[in-house]
Amino acid sequence: QKEVEQNSGPLSVPEGAIASLNCTYSDRVSQSFFWYRQYSGKSPELIMSIYSNGDKEDGRFTAQLNKASQYVSLLIRDSQPSDSATYLCAVNFFGDKIIFGKGTRLHILP
Amino acid sequence: DAGVTQSPTHLIKTRGQHVTLRCSPISGHKSVSWYQQVLGQGPQFIFQYYEKEERGRGNFPDRFSARQFPNYSSELNVNALLLGDSALYLCASSGGTGGLDGYTFGSGTRLTVV
Repeated sequence: QKEVEQNSGPLSVPEGAIASLNCTYSDRVSQSFFWYRQYSGKSPELIMSIYSNGDKEDGRFTAQLNKASQYVSLLIRDSQPSDSATYLCAVNFFGDKIIFGKGTRLHILP
Repeated sequence: DAGVTQSPTHLIKTRGQHVTLRCSPISGHKSVSWYQQVLGQGPQFIFQYYEKEERGRGNFPDRFSARQFPNYSSELNVNALLLGDSALYLCASSGGTGGLDGYTFGSGTRLTVV
């Protein structure tokens, strides 16, 4: 059973600080990794994708991937109240389907 | 350009009834996937279709079925509805199979079974 694990939170971070979200997955044969943001009552929105080991930066967001440890993370720098949402980690296991974790609720404290 | 469109937005059904949910992918996208999201949980994979063929099926009972049409739109059908089928049903599309591109989600259909 291929799985994606996340801490459900809530994770509370002061405004302006760095928020760190973590995710582990069960299968070494994984091709691509995604982070989605979901506001309450809305559908998920893709914010980052990463395919290779290392870091990938996009604005205030940095995705980090370590395939040997089966670990992917998302860092949000200079956290803003608008970053308060649920962050979903998703993994494309070998094949085409993308499996999601349960999500981590993030609260940015003003 | 229109994004992924789903209809209806909200739906209330009685136990035992049947429901059909519809999805139109982004123009040019050939892959459509369906997910069920229960409150407080992540999306659960139901089906993926690519070029009108089923490419994957999640751990859902046979009451759930889907198909993709020549114009790449898709329907999700659920028979013999149970109270536990109440959820947000999300459709997502991708230009490729989705494995490398990720998905773009529609706004979802909120199904309530009473």
